[in-house]
Amino acid sequence: DIQMTQSPSTLSASIGDRVTITCRASQSISSWLAWYQQKPGKAPNLLIYKASSLETGVPSRFSGSGSGTEFTLTINGLQPDDFATYYCQQYNSYPWTFGQGTEVEIK
Amino acid sequence: QVQLVESGGGVVQPGRSLRLSCAASGFTFSSYPMDWVRQAPGKGLEWVALISNDGRDTYYADSVKGRFTISRDNSENTLYLQMNSLRADDTAVYYCARRSTVMDYWGQGTLVTVSS
Repeated sequence: DIQMTQSPSTLSASIGDRVTITCRASQSISSWLAWYQQKPGKAPNLLIYKASSLETGVPSRFSGSGSGTEFTLTINGLQPDDFATYYCQQYNSYPWTFGQGTEVEIK
Repeated sequence: QVQLVESGGGVVQPGRSLRLSCAASGFTFSSYPMDWVRQAPGKGLEWVALISNDGRDTYYADSVKGRFTISRDNSENTLYLQMNSLRADDTAVYYCARRSTVMDYWGQGTLVTVSS
């Protein structure tokens, strides 16, 4: 199975900050990576697919980059609605696997 | 708009069975593969199973293989997850999700608690 490792596990940031979350795959997954946002008690919400494609309706302050084994999710200008947990997920091969999550909390 | 509504969760004893349902609306259900994903309390996301749009192909996580069965009824726009031989570590919120290339729409989840 492909292991997905996110860093950091928790991130403290302020409104307006630029935030970067890293996701590493245990083997190459090309660009088959998605990012999800999840708020407490809610279902995950798709933000980014194919490493850097923004899902329709997602604010442009979210962006993704990377390929192979190293990926990043960047939030430019953190907003109050962005405090949540973020997960990366590979869909290169079964079983699909998720990172352990990064909680973005208010500083 | 796309809606996915899970049901069937509850408290069940270890070793017993439970069937989850996911009612889909707002899109052509028979055109999309569908997934189940679960999340144990306070933990991360775990992909559980996938079924192709026509129901012919299925895939499972090793943790549920042989115990869980994913199926669908395209005439009823409904996805199912039959869970047998349930264990305490199956306790989780179970989400159904529509798959385009990735899981682009998710239901609100249904909680399954396995406890004696």
